[in-house]
Amino acid sequence: SQQGEEDPQALSIQEGENATMNCSYKTSINNLQWYRQNSGRGLVHLILIRSNEREKHSGRLRVTLDTSKKSSSLLITASRAADTASYFCATDDGSGANNLFFGTGTRLTVIP
Amino acid sequence: DTAVSQTPKYLVTQMGNDKSIKCEQNLGHDTMYWYKQDSKKFLKIMFSYNNKELIINETVPNRFSPKSPDKAHLNLHINSLELGDSAVYFCASRSGGAHEQFFGPGTRLTVL
Repeated sequence: SQQGEEDPQALSIQEGENATMNCSYKTSINNLQWYRQNSGRGLVHLILIRSNEREKHSGRLRVTLDTSKKSSSLLITASRAADTASYFCATDDGSGANNLFFGTGTRLTVIP
Repeated sequence: DTAVSQTPKYLVTQMGNDKSIKCEQNLGHDTMYWYKQDSKKFLKIMFSYNNKELIINETVPNRFSPKSPDKAHLNLHINSLELGDSAVYFCASRSGGAHEQFFGPGTRLTVL
């Protein structure tokens, strides 16, 4: 199975703090994506990092990728209550269909 | 305007019934997907489809069948529903030149 794992499974922080989530995957990748899922909603794409990139930023998001360790991390800086959601990493299977294989997700709770 | 929509949002049915979930995208995307999210929030690809090719995850029972009347729709038909089919099903779409997938709001299926 290509399904990855994320840790921690759940994370609770105070508003204003930084949140770091980690993702490990099993196979070679072309890119890795992070998605966010609010409770009862569909997933929303946050950021994509290519296999030849080591770090990428988008607003308050910072993603790192270590292909030698098959791992990635998502850092959310200066968290807000509205960041409360589940966060998933996803790798694709490299086929033309770009099927995504998701990690197990991290449930982030930001306490106001 | 909703980019990827699914109907119904909730579906409660008895074991053994046949049901369908509809998905429509108005993004002009080439590829559409169905994912299953179980009670532990694990997301797994079920199908990917464009107008040329259907790719089926080998673990999906043949009771599940996607049907695409046109490029903007990919409906999911499920025959002889089982208790284990209870989950949230997500439709997604992707443009041919991009990796980001756009997800629908999900359909919560409960089989009694």
